[in-house]
Order: sequence, then C-alpha cells, then structure tokens
Amino acid sequence: DVKVTQSSRYLVKRTGEKVFLECVQDMDHENMFWYRQDPGLGLRLIYFSYDVKMKEKGDIPEGYSVSREKKERFSLILESASTNQTSMYLCASSRDNEETQYFGPGTRLLVL
Amino acid sequence: GESVGLHLPTLSVQEGDNSIINCAYSNSASDYFIWYKQESGKGPQFIIDIRSNMDKRQGQRVTVLLNKTVKHLSLQIAATQPGDSAVYFCAENWMDSSYKLIFGSGTRLLVRP
Repeated sequence: DVKVTQSSRYLVKRTGEKVFLECVQDMDHENMFWYRQDPGLGLRLIYFSYDVKMKEKGDIPEGYSVSREKKERFSLILESASTNQTSMYLCASSRDNEETQYFGPGTRLLVL
Repeated sequence: GESVGLHLPTLSVQEGDNSIINCAYSNSASDYFIWYKQESGKGPQFIIDIRSNMDKRQGQRVTVLLNKTVKHLSLQIAATQPGDSAVYFCAENWMDSSYKLIFGSGTRLLVRP
C-alpha cells in the first residue's frame, strides 16, 4: 500500500512565524503535490514537483515556497504565516506517467 | 470537527439503499477521471477511476459512469453502509496538464441507520 505521511496533524502558529510542513512518501513516487482545502473551495494546488530539486507553481503559490531535496520528501514552507493561511494542508504523491494521486492524512494549521 | 463540508451539498440515504453521487466536469478534453472519499479528519482516499475511452467501470460495490456528451460523471454505491458516510470528490485530468488533477468541491453522503 502507498503510504504518505505528514509530520503533524495539527499545528498552531502565530502571525509572522515561519512554518514548515513535511511530507514523506514510501513508494518511490516521482511526483509530489501540496494542496490546501477550505470550506466551499475544494482542493487547490499550491505547488508540485516532478523530481528532486524541481518545483512548479500551482494555482495559489503566493505566500508559500517548497523544497524537495530528496525524492521521498516534499516540504511546504510558509515564510511568514498569516491568518488567511489557516487551512487544511494535504500532501499527495503519484508515479511518473500516472494520474492517480495518493494523499496523506492532512495537517490542520491554525494561524493566530 | 470537520469543517471541509460546511458548504457542501448533502445526500442522505437509508442504510442498504443505493447511492448516486453526481459530478459535472469542466473540460471536454479531460481524459481521466477519479473519485475520492474523504472521511472526517482524514485525507482523500482513492475509490475508483475511469478513462475517457470508457463509459462505465465497476469496482467492489461501486460503479463509475461517464457521459462525455454532457460532461457528467457519477458514482454509484450499492447497498450503502454507515462506513460510506463521507465527503466524495470527483477530479479530472486535463490532457495538457502534466498529470495535475482538477477537483470538484465535493458531496457529503450521510447514511441513516
């Protein structure tokens, strides 16, 4: 079974803090994705990566950056957290040339 | 509690009945479609997928139907069980999108005992 894990289930941070969300997958997938999920808006793509050290902007990259130093790990960084970044963050991975994405359990972030 | 479903359409069914969840997709060029189930406090879980060269695909207790003429996708769940209560999302892959998925907003399924 594909397993995607996220470092925290719940996080509470203060405005202006730098926040790191970590995601690890154990199936040697090439593609990794970060989404945020908000009521009524569905899943929106923040960033994705097709390979180590490679990243591409998704639909809502503003205020976020990412890092992929190793194939299994994809990190989402909030350089200076703001209250409008309070959300559920979901990481996913997929095999190269396959569309099916497998999701982690999510991190619920609250920015005060 | 789970806040993702605050503004979602809701389908309420009796345990044992069949459920039909509908989804309208946006791009006539989409060639791959997928259904996910998201239980409260968890990440989306793959249920079933279908390619645009098919009209129907069956899994265990689930069937996906694709109507390309009206850009409509449906998920049928047979003999709905309490464990089926969740939010269900459809997603489509645009042919030129490099394997990105575009997600619908979801439908909440409530199963009455």
